[in-house]
Formats: sequence, C-alpha cells, structure tokens
Amino acid sequence: DAGVIQSPRHEVTEMGQEVTLRCKPISGHDYLFWYRQTMMRGLELLIYFNNNVPIDDSGMPEDRFSAKMPNASFSTLKIQPSEPRDSAVYFCASSPRGPTFIYGYTFGSGTRLTVV
Amino acid sequence: ELKVEQNPLFLSMQEGKNYTIYCNYSTTSDRLYWYRQDPGKSLESLFVLLSNGAVKQEGRLMASLDTKARLSTLHITAAVHDLSATYFCAVLNYGGSQGNLIFGKGTKLSVKP
Repeated sequence: DAGVIQSPRHEVTEMGQEVTLRCKPISGHDYLFWYRQTMMRGLELLIYFNNNVPIDDSGMPEDRFSAKMPNASFSTLKIQPSEPRDSAVYFCASSPRGPTFIYGYTFGSGTRLTVV
Repeated sequence: ELKVEQNPLFLSMQEGKNYTIYCNYSTTSDRLYWYRQDPGKSLESLFVLLSNGAVKQEGRLMASLDTKARLSTLHITAAVHDLSATYFCAVLNYGGSQGNLIFGKGTKLSVKP
C-alpha cells in the first residue's frame, strides 16, 4: 500500500495566485480529511468527507478555500486567491470505515505551501 | 468545546532516563491517538486507545488512557536518541460531526547522549 499520497510536496506561489493541493487516499478508506499545520495554531481540521460527501467544512477559514472529492480516489483543496497568511503545511489523511474511527487516521506526507 | 492540553511542550532528556508526557482533555471521549512527527515529516500513528484503562506498548513507549480522569500518558523508558521527535496526542470530538480529531500542541522531545 502506497499510503496517502499528496502533491505537490512543496509549493511557492505569489500572493493572489490560485493554489491547488491534491490528495489520493488509501484505497478502501471511506473518510478523507484535510488538516493545516502552523506554528501558531498547531493542527487544525479544515474539512472532511465521508464517501466523497463533505460532512463538516466548519474549519475552512474563509470563502477563498474550497475542497472537492469527485471520486473515492482523489480530492483537491483550492485556495483562490492565496495570501501570505495561508502559508502552512497542509496534510491530507484518510481512515477506513469502522466503529467510530477505531483505526485512527493515516496521514500523507503533506504539502508545504509558501505564499510570498 | 473540546480542548486538548499536553505537557510538557518541550522535553530534554538524557539517554537512559524515563519520563512521561501527559495529555489532558476537557470533554468526554473514549478515542485517543498518539502520533509521532519528525522534523519536516508527516504524522506517524503510534497508538490508538479505545477505552478506559487501555494500555498499549511498543518498544520503549507505553501509552495509557483514563477516560474518567480525561487523561492519557505516554511513558518513555530508557530513552534513546532515535526517540527524538515531536509527539502529539489527539482526541476524537464526539460533539459536532464526530469526524474531528482535536490535537494537542505537541511535545518536542530531545534525547541527548
């Protein structure tokens, strides 16, 4: 199993540009999560999906952020327009179906985003 | 609102010594997870604790959960340099949509020879 795959690993972009982060969850996992990690705020859940349907997007900071999961093997997180304060490491994680997350989450390697 | 507090946030240990990291949380939950993160890397799952009194051990690390006290501990026995990393606890938030792991701020462990 290749694990949760994220791309790109690093992204440097100019303020105002659109940024798209990509995630491929582990095959068979029904849940997909997007987290953001910063020094100031730690790890925060942005949004999560169950069977490709967004369940909770209350962590999405503002309308500039959007996420989609068009099928069970792919998700995107888009920031448009990007701002310097969006600089962070963005993690995707997935979890299999089971009684209340008894298997925990498996995290991808993350995308380090720098907005200049 | 579920809050998760870890302490200490920074821990410098000598090799061979024992120490404990504490994870307190503010509302009822019986799902607690410990992760390890090396600098610039992803989060690696260490333990999944699913009930009151659960204890799991892997090598020099042992984790336990007391749901009544809302406390989990990660005990390090005879530390070695390879254990240097940041350790996070995370608690499943049963309030709201139930999908949210709330993370502590992490404990940065440095093991010195």
